[in-house]
Amino acid sequence: SSELTQDPAVSVALGQTVRITCQGDSLRSYYASWYQQKPGQAPVLVIYGKNNRPSGIPDRFSGSSSGNTASLTITGAQAEDEADYYCNSRDSSGNHRVVFGGGTKLTVL
Amino acid sequence: QVTLRESGPALVKPTQTLTLTCTFSGFSLSTSGMCVSWIRQPPGKALEWLALIDWDDDKYYSTSLKTRLTISKDTSKNQVVLTMTNMDPVDTATYYCARTNYDILTGYFHFDYWGQGTLVTVSS
Repeated sequence: SSELTQDPAVSVALGQTVRITCQGDSLRSYYASWYQQKPGQAPVLVIYGKNNRPSGIPDRFSGSSSGNTASLTITGAQAEDEADYYCNSRDSSGNHRVVFGGGTKLTVL
Repeated sequence: QVTLRESGPALVKPTQTLTLTCTFSGFSLSTSGMCVSWIRQPPGKALEWLALIDWDDDKYYSTSLKTRLTISKDTSKNQVVLTMTNMDPVDTATYYCARTNYDILTGYFHFDYWGQGTLVTVSS
């Protein structure tokens, strides 16, 4: 079982804003990162650190955190944003181990 | 330009040992804060982190799989190798290697570049 919990599925109307959340004790101490994965493709980093976007990631993607919950927000969702989204962080024991959330399937209606 | 590429057998038999190689370019695994991880994904399921090796040759493993995993690096060849013993059909998955950035100040990891993955099927 994952130490990071994500909703299995979320939907959003085209052009609207959606928030995908990730919960876990380790998030009180460590940042989460967020990855987008489309069918048949490798994951792509979309948010890391406090709220950093790698080059080439649209600015409609943003990250935030409060307590034990990290959030990925897509402001003005596009059809191409339909994908699986995974969060990851350090594990809650503080060892150099990494955990992933179970993933959230985002559907853009 | 950072690239990573996984290579290894597409099919292994139960109880056999799997050896996967990650060949990378565009960065040095000798640079402080630089690491390489292995991550897998069974068909239709979530990502699972397996192991990490850092610039100082320290190695870290998934708690549930640590008895079966060994990670090593050859800095001169820009390669990281993962071995997994006693393979089982439940180990059927796409195996990815990913460049891993470690922020020494915050203790934070993230995976900024991924290989395309290699599908490993475990079957007799």
